[in-house]
Amino acid sequence: EDKVVQSPLSLVVHEGDTVTLNCSYEVTNFRSLLWYKQEKKAPTFLFMLTSSGIEKKSGRLSSILDKKELFSILNITATQTGDSAIYLCAPRGGRGSTLGRLYFGRGTQLTVWP
Amino acid sequence: DGGITQSPKYLFRKEGQNVTLSCEQNLNHDAMYWYRQDPGQGLRLIYYSQIVNDFQKGDIAEGYSVSREKKESFPLTVTSAQKNPTAFYLCASSIAGGQENGYTFGSGTRLTVV
Repeated sequence: EDKVVQSPLSLVVHEGDTVTLNCSYEVTNFRSLLWYKQEKKAPTFLFMLTSSGIEKKSGRLSSILDKKELFSILNITATQTGDSAIYLCAPRGGRGSTLGRLYFGRGTQLTVWP
Repeated sequence: DGGITQSPKYLFRKEGQNVTLSCEQNLNHDAMYWYRQDPGQGLRLIYYSQIVNDFQKGDIAEGYSVSREKKESFPLTVTSAQKNPTAFYLCASSIAGGQENGYTFGSGTRLTVV
């Protein structure tokens, strides 16, 4: 059975703190892993990771994938109140009936206090 | 502007009634998906379609039905057989295989059974 486990499920920090969000996965025909940020409605795309060990960065956010350990992390440095959201990890299938399909975890609810 | 439109944004239904949620995209995407999100949960896949006139069940298809008669449209019907239909429903689309940045999401429909 395919599964995605994110941890922690909930995290409360103060502005300026650094956070690390975790995602472990077991997905048939794994192709890549995506991270999304969901504030109120539709998730918005953050990163797509396809290769192990190559860090992707966008401003204060960065992410890396370990395909051997089936694990990914999302780091946010110098957090701001605007980072408060649910962060979703979504590995993607890459063959046959699973081609293109995203498997979502429960998400990590991040709350950043001023 | 290209995008994906879900309607209505809010929907109230009486128990025992069927209701249809609309999802339309003008991105020329081949694949379309329906997800359900409950509070504190990630996105769970209901149905998906990789091509016109074809669709597959996701992880929680019971009590739901779909059609894909046109490339642009992928309506979801929540039937009276769905025991707990109150939830947030998200539609998404992607190019075949879901390459690049994964999905484009609609803004969602919040269904409440009264």
